[in-house]
Amino acid sequence: AQSVTQLGSHVSVSEGALVLLRCNYSSSVPPYLFWYVQYPNQGLQLLLKYTTGATLVKGINGFEAEFKKSETSFHLTKPSAHMSDAAEYFCAVSERANDMRFGAGTRLTVKP
Amino acid sequence: IAGITQAPTSQILAAGRRMTLRCTQDMRHNAMYWYRQDLGLGLRLIHYSNTAGTTGKGEVPDGYSVSRANTDDFPLTLASAVPSQTSVYFCASSTGGNTEAFFGQGTRLTVV
Repeated sequence: AQSVTQLGSHVSVSEGALVLLRCNYSSSVPPYLFWYVQYPNQGLQLLLKYTTGATLVKGINGFEAEFKKSETSFHLTKPSAHMSDAAEYFCAVSERANDMRFGAGTRLTVKP
Repeated sequence: IAGITQAPTSQILAAGRRMTLRCTQDMRHNAMYWYRQDLGLGLRLIHYSNTAGTTGKGEVPDGYSVSRANTDDFPLTLASAVPSQTSVYFCASSTGGNTEAFFGQGTRLTVV
């Protein structure tokens, strides 16, 4: 069965520092992988997605993620954190239609 | 641009009462979903609908029912609310398959 594990419920970085949010997945078939961001009191917005093809995926707001099949990982990175990046981030996996499974989420705090 | 509209935005409900959470989308998406979000658990799928007239059970369907009379509307009903149904509920839609989902702003429900 498909599942997602996000390592670290809370990550804190300084403004300008590298952001690394970790996601490992379990799937019996080649998965579709997603990262969503949730700002306070809002719904989720798609940051980026991996379906097939290039394993390095670029998303909005300078974020990118790399699909590593051998490591079953899909970590999210951003070279330089901005205060506006503070939010909750969710990794999700979908191995069949209409059954997207989410991780527990990682709260990113950005210190000035 | 409305996207997905959920109502109400928040509600306090007495245990045992019936409640319907409303969800309307204007994107003409075939698929719609209901998730609940709980701290430390991420988002869990309650019910989904691939197209108007069809519905399916997700990961945590017990205590909830849905209907899909037309493309735009996908209400979620709690027949007899219990405190464990206290949560934030998100409605989402997609074009179907393994495509990304678009989320509403959420309904915060407290059952007392």
